Amino acid sequence: EIVLTQSPATLSLSPGEGATLSCGASQSIGNYLAWYQQRPGQAPRLLIYDASSRATGIPARFGGSGSGTYFTLTISSLKPEDFAIYYCQHRSNWRLTFGGGTKVEIK
Amino acid sequence: QVQLQQWGAGLLKPSETLSLTCAVHGGSLGGYYWSWIRQPPGKGLEWIGEIIHSGDSHYNASLDTRVTMSVDTSKNQISLRLRSVTAADTAVYYCARGQVVELEYWGPGILVSVSS
Repeated sequence: EIVLTQSPATLSLSPGEGATLSCGASQSIGNYLAWYQQRPGQAPRLLIYDASSRATGIPARFGGSGSGTYFTLTISSLKPEDFAIYYCQHRSNWRLTFGGGTKVEIK
Repeated sequence: QVQLQQWGAGLLKPSETLSLTCAVHGGSLGGYYWSWIRQPPGKGLEWIGEIIHSGDSHYNASLDTRVTMSVDTSKNQISLRLRSVTAADTAVYYCARGQVVELEYWGPGILVSVSS
């Protein structure tokens, strides 16, 4: 079973700053990774798929990179609406797993 | 525009069966996998299982003995049943449409509380 480990658990930043979130996989998963944003009281929203492709309607300030066992989500300049929890996710062999999440909070 | 609508009982007693339905609007069931995911209050996301339009399903091993998913292609709906619930099953339950890896459309979620 693939285990996804996200770091840090919490990221305290100010609006306008850049953010880098990490997701590590317990074994190589190619580029089969997605990222989601979850705001309080809302369902998760797909941001990135195939490790680096932005989903429809996602602003260009969100970027994904990585392959194999190490992935990153970058937010180039945080806007107030970007303060939320972010999850990475993988699916293979009819199993789907999520990372534990990174909370991006206002400093 | 694909939209997912969810409904079901929001308050259960221990040992009862959770039953939720997810209706798919603006798209068909075929060609995708349909997942159920839950999120206990203040915690992360847990995958429950997935089903495709043929009815073939796969479940999280930790819930496998209590879960059944089904599909009704005539109504464009999927359903989740979770037997013998306990307080640990209290969570927001989501349905979602999946592509190869990613879950591109999510339902709004429904809070199911288990309490005596």
